[in-house]
Amino acid sequence: DAGITQSPRYKITETGRQVTLMCHQTWSHSYMFWYRQDLGHGLRLIYYSAAADITDKGEVPDGYVVSRSKTENFPLTLESATRSQTSVYFCASSVFNRENQPQHFGDGTRLSIL
Amino acid sequence: AQSVAQPEDQVNVAEGNPLTVKCTYSVSGNPYLFWYVQYPNRGLQFLLKYITGDNLVKGSYGFEAEFNKSQTSFHLKKPSALVSDSALYFCAVRPMDSSYKLIFGSGTRLLVRP
Repeated sequence: DAGITQSPRYKITETGRQVTLMCHQTWSHSYMFWYRQDLGHGLRLIYYSAAADITDKGEVPDGYVVSRSKTENFPLTLESATRSQTSVYFCASSVFNRENQPQHFGDGTRLSIL
Repeated sequence: AQSVAQPEDQVNVAEGNPLTVKCTYSVSGNPYLFWYVQYPNRGLQFLLKYITGDNLVKGSYGFEAEFNKSQTSFHLKKPSALVSDSALYFCAVRPMDSSYKLIFGSGTRLLVRP
């Protein structure tokens, strides 16, 4: 049971560069999410997706782009990285049903922008 | 505005003693409530949830949480702490009018000393 995997686990890049963070889940969950974790802020939602080809903005979407051509993949792209985007990024997935199953998280990508 | 508060940045407790990690929320209606734990360099792991029913919810690793509607609180508890419980704990709330949205607290670091 591979679950949800993120790659790379660590990334260092420079301001202005484009960088893509990958997320892959093996459960066929409908919902997928991208969060960033910063000290003192907990987790903040960047983008989410309810199904393939359906994406929507979360709390802090500026500077990020997502796509979801396949149910299992949900890449996050920083088109022109800025230092304020240095953070730990988490991908999560969940089943959509009325019992409110929890979200399942990957182990994160630690991104440093110099 | 909807919010979740974890008033303590850190909780220190001796091994074998009971622990409490506090969480209060400000969300309209009757939300769904979750606790997650994060170990170093890992993603968030689901501990327990409150949907409806008994105010005392039992979860993984011996943790439980008490829901108090009048105080809008959902405190995490454990009767006897272990050193291995040392981690970062997040409270999260899902408003009933949302099928996906989770509002996270800022996290509480639990340190259990031998």
